[in-house]
Amino acid sequence: EPEVTQTPSHQVTQMGQEVILRCVPISNHLYFYWYRQILGQKVEFLVSFYNNEISEKSEIFDDQFSVERPDGSNFTLKIRSTKLEDSAMYFCASRADRVGSYEQYFGPGTRLTVT
Amino acid sequence: EDQVTQSPEALRLQEGESSSLNCSYTVSGLRGLFWYRQDPGKGPEFLFTLYSAGEEKEKERLKATLTKKESFLHITAPKPEDSATYLCAVHSGGSNYKLTFGKGTLLTVNP
Repeated sequence: EPEVTQTPSHQVTQMGQEVILRCVPISNHLYFYWYRQILGQKVEFLVSFYNNEISEKSEIFDDQFSVERPDGSNFTLKIRSTKLEDSAMYFCASRADRVGSYEQYFGPGTRLTVT
Repeated sequence: EDQVTQSPEALRLQEGESSSLNCSYTVSGLRGLFWYRQDPGKGPEFLFTLYSAGEEKEKERLKATLTKKESFLHITAPKPEDSATYLCAVHSGGSNYKLTFGKGTLLTVNP
């Protein structure tokens, strides 16, 4: 069964460093998302991406964040200068472009720890 | 702004003891309500989508129902492997289908 994959599973970085989180969405999906979940809190929407551009972003997704689909399979989230409060689980999700099928499928997540 | 509230925050059941989880929502116009299961340290796993009041969906021991203000996830004769956090999420508009999640209900089923 197709699934969303994410690498790395755990990333430890120092404050101020840049990190890139990688995702491979399900192959025939066209909508891509990043969410984050701070420990003990809700899953929060960060950004959606369609047709090679950002279609919507939340207030959390400021100038320190960027997304890219560098090739036909990968979808990345970059944080330019990490802060302590960026420590969280980051989930990538994808969705098919199909009428009547609006569910998003999530990857296993990347645990980002900023020290 | 869309809001999702789940109750209870935690629920402990004995194996075979049926119960229900609640998800109440406030949205400007519901386009879809989604239930996910999340195991510790893992990503949310899709369970159901409900689109209109009165709709019901079933999968094994789980049944999801929807009214105009809330959704229920009924668990019949649960087993220990049903232990997980159950998340409810809504989408209220826009073609991007961003999801607004509740905090979840942590279900523990004891053998």
